[in-house]
Amino acid sequence: KAGVTQTPRYLIKTRGQQVTLSCSPISGHRSVSWYQQTPGQGLQFLFEYFSETQRNKGNFPGRFSGRQFSNSRSEMNVSTLELGDSALYLCASSLDGFSGANVLTFGAGSRLTVL
Amino acid sequence: GQSLEQPSEVTAVEGAIVQINCTYQTSGFYGLSWYQQHDGGAPTFLSYNALDGLEETGRFSSFLSRSDSYGYLLLQELQMKDSASYFCAFCSGGYQKVTFGIGTKLQVIP
Repeated sequence: KAGVTQTPRYLIKTRGQQVTLSCSPISGHRSVSWYQQTPGQGLQFLFEYFSETQRNKGNFPGRFSGRQFSNSRSEMNVSTLELGDSALYLCASSLDGFSGANVLTFGAGSRLTVL
Repeated sequence: GQSLEQPSEVTAVEGAIVQINCTYQTSGFYGLSWYQQHDGGAPTFLSYNALDGLEETGRFSSFLSRSDSYGYLLLQELQMKDSASYFCAFCSGGYQKVTFGIGTKLQVIP
């Protein structure tokens, strides 16, 4: 079956712009979570959605937002981009979101560069 | 707070055994996971310990001691393709809010 699909894979933006990233989870998976990965900070949890509801949010400013659609596809948006937002944004899906850390399947990520 | 600590880099020889340690701090704990990530790739799940003890999956084993808030990943018969970053992680809540360690970059040399 198809894995987790993230689009776009690479993008370049300038400071002040906004960006929308998309994630299609594995078919049947209802939980989608987002992570920011940078060399110095590792994987940082952004937020998690289940059945179109945000259940958890990490320690990121309000410029970072997301949503989930009825088909479980998810988008995240970053507004007013800053240089420090340059990172690999990873999406992970899981079946039900209740089984702990052992069931995350990650997409290949969207690499954002902010100039 | 919630955190995990692991070494930033480890170098080992092809065919040898390497152990990557992870200590953690959290108020709630469901178990310790390990993920592997090759450069430019996505993290992939390797192993999960919900209970104390050793879990073996082929050349990889993972260990957990809840009383010591400590775990490790053991890689045996190292191959060049094992060169990657390895992350320990836990989920301390009922939902998928997973906290990852900073990652250990393993370099396997001939």
